[in-house]
Amino acid sequence: DTGVSQDPRHKITKRGQNVTFRCDPISEHNRLYWYRQTLGQGPEFLTYFQNEAQLEKSRLLSDRFSAERPKGSFSTLEIQRTEQGDSAMYLCASSFGDRRDTQYFGPGTRLTVL
Amino acid sequence: AQTVTQSQPEMSVQEAETVTLSCTYDTSESDYYLFWYKQPPSRQMILVIRQEAYKQQNATENRFSVNFQKAAKSFSLKISDSQLGDAAMYFCAYRSWGAGNMLTFGGGTRLMVKP
Repeated sequence: DTGVSQDPRHKITKRGQNVTFRCDPISEHNRLYWYRQTLGQGPEFLTYFQNEAQLEKSRLLSDRFSAERPKGSFSTLEIQRTEQGDSAMYLCASSFGDRRDTQYFGPGTRLTVL
Repeated sequence: AQTVTQSQPEMSVQEAETVTLSCTYDTSESDYYLFWYKQPPSRQMILVIRQEAYKQQNATENRFSVNFQKAAKSFSLKISDSQLGDAAMYFCAYRSWGAGNMLTFGGGTRLMVKP
């Protein structure tokens, strides 16, 4: 068990550019979650996958955001035409799907939009 | 929709002393989970303790324990024998019963531990 990993850890981009983040969950976990955390706030839910199916999306996930989990393993989160308000920490979490379904978090990707 | 409120933006405690972090939540559900997560500076969030709402007994994990008051919708975290490594942001979180549900977080409490 190597834990949840995220890449890159930091991303600086200019407004209007597209960015993509990757999350690798714990290998036996079939559920994967994306959250966004702005400075000084708690994380906010963005979207959730069970295997390759995207089952829930928050209203925070505008049409500039898209997430995929093509083979039910790693996931990508893409933001198109970035805006300064997209600057945040993007957290990925995964869970096993048992009754307790504890979510384990990755280190996050910190996005700065200039 | 559920909401989680942490009314203490910052708390400090002397090393080896005890501190209690507060959390209240609002829900119309009867079955749910509550969590405390710890986020050290520049490090990933880790689970500290979990409470199932149907359990009357308060959860305990080593130096960490909770005071779960279901009727009052209160879920406080007590840290005993505080250590320097306990310094972090602490987030209270709510999850509806059943797998695959999102966590709803409070705004967090920054805990400082004084040597």
